[in-house]
Amino acid sequence: EAQVTQNPRYLITVTGKKLTVTCSQNMNHEYMSWYRQDPGLGLRQIYYSMNVEVTDKGDVPEGYKVSRKEKRNFPLILESPSPNQTSLYFCASSSRVGGTNANEQFFGPGTRLTVL
Amino acid sequence: GDSVTQMEGPVTLSEEAFLTINCTYTATGYPSLFWYVQYPGEGLQLLLKATKADDKGSNKGFEATYRKETTSFHLEKGSVQVSDSAVYFCALSDRNTGFQKLVFGTGTRLLVSP
Repeated sequence: EAQVTQNPRYLITVTGKKLTVTCSQNMNHEYMSWYRQDPGLGLRQIYYSMNVEVTDKGDVPEGYKVSRKEKRNFPLILESPSPNQTSLYFCASSSRVGGTNANEQFFGPGTRLTVL
Repeated sequence: GDSVTQMEGPVTLSEEAFLTINCTYTATGYPSLFWYVQYPGEGLQLLLKATKADDKGSNKGFEATYRKETTSFHLEKGSVQVSDSAVYFCALSDRNTGFQKLVFGTGTRLLVSP
């Protein structure tokens, strides 16, 4: 089954304790992305990756890191989490397109993070 | 920059009622437009999309028409069901990001009662 998986689904942690949220897709997609979802703000892009070893900042990258060493995986790293990073996080992937079409982005089930 | 504006929710309807969720956008050029749906406890799923002016996207009884003159992409359904209760997100992508980055509205929660 084609899917994007994230782990963990729920995480409660304390300020300053490094954590990693994993994301993996089995569709051989080039493009992967992380979003955070906050009430009243919708989803905002944190980081994205166009392919292996190619990553770039989205709209809200502060306090986050990513890496793309393999095509299928795109972990999100919080080196020193703070309470304002309490949010619902989604990983997404899509195949690379050019021209005028827009491919569907496939989303993972989400990771609810609470930083105390 | 690009932006998407959706009507505030929640929208509360009885089963079989007509649904409209308004969405307008601001973008340079000719964006592609999407509606995504988020069921409770799940990730987002693509509901429908339109890639050029006057295109109509449709799926599962939902429809939306890309109106360039009014920069709108309103979601409609003629007869909603309890199972349609979810959060609906309007979104766009444009050529500047290779049509990869999605810019989302804030989401509209739909509650359908029997």
